[in-house]
Amino acid sequence: AQSVTQPDIHITVSEGASLELRCNYSYGATPYLFWYVQSPGQGLQLLLKYFSGDTLVQGIKGFEAEFKRSQSSFNLRKPSVHWSDAAEYFCAVAVNDYKLSFGAGTTVTVRA
Amino acid sequence: DTGVSQNPRHKITKRGQNVTFRCDPISEHNRLYWYRQTLGQGPEFLTYFQNEAQLEKSRLLSDRFSAERPKGSFSTLEIQRTEQGDSAMYLCASSSWTGYSYEQYFGPGTRLTVT
Repeated sequence: AQSVTQPDIHITVSEGASLELRCNYSYGATPYLFWYVQSPGQGLQLLLKYFSGDTLVQGIKGFEAEFKRSQSSFNLRKPSVHWSDAAEYFCAVAVNDYKLSFGAGTTVTVRA
Repeated sequence: DTGVSQNPRHKITKRGQNVTFRCDPISEHNRLYWYRQTLGQGPEFLTYFQNEAQLEKSRLLSDRFSAERPKGSFSTLEIQRTEQGDSAMYLCASSSWTGYSYEQYFGPGTRLTVT
């Protein structure tokens, strides 16, 4: 079955430092992959998506992600985090054309 | 485009009571989805509609749950005889299905607490 694993439950990073969030997927075919962010009390906001083509995708808020088929990974990165990036981040894979399967999420804390 | 809206944002109810949540999708979107998110977990798919037709229901959706989307616009999710295990965030999402667009746009959710 298609699934997503986010190995890190919680990451703390200093403001201005770089951030990398890991995501591993299990999927038989070419996956459609997403990263969403959820701030406290808010819904999920789509950061970026990968369908095909260039394996390095750019998203909103300065985030990027790299698809690596050989490693079944889709890691999210940001070169310099801001305090407003503190949130929970979810990686997801499209199981079919109507269902997304989400990882358990990674909580990011930004310290001053 | 005002985004997906959900009401109420919070609901506290006693065990055994019925509750109903409403979701208003982005206006031109023909698909609408319901997910449930429990503490420390990612959202889990419950059901979805294409226009007014409910096309898929997860096994998570017990017979106490019912969803409707009359006229293919807003949707309601009703939970009858609530149980403490129903406490969760209920998320609605919508999309414009064109055959190759898989991203879904989520609302702020309704947090249900069953006491």
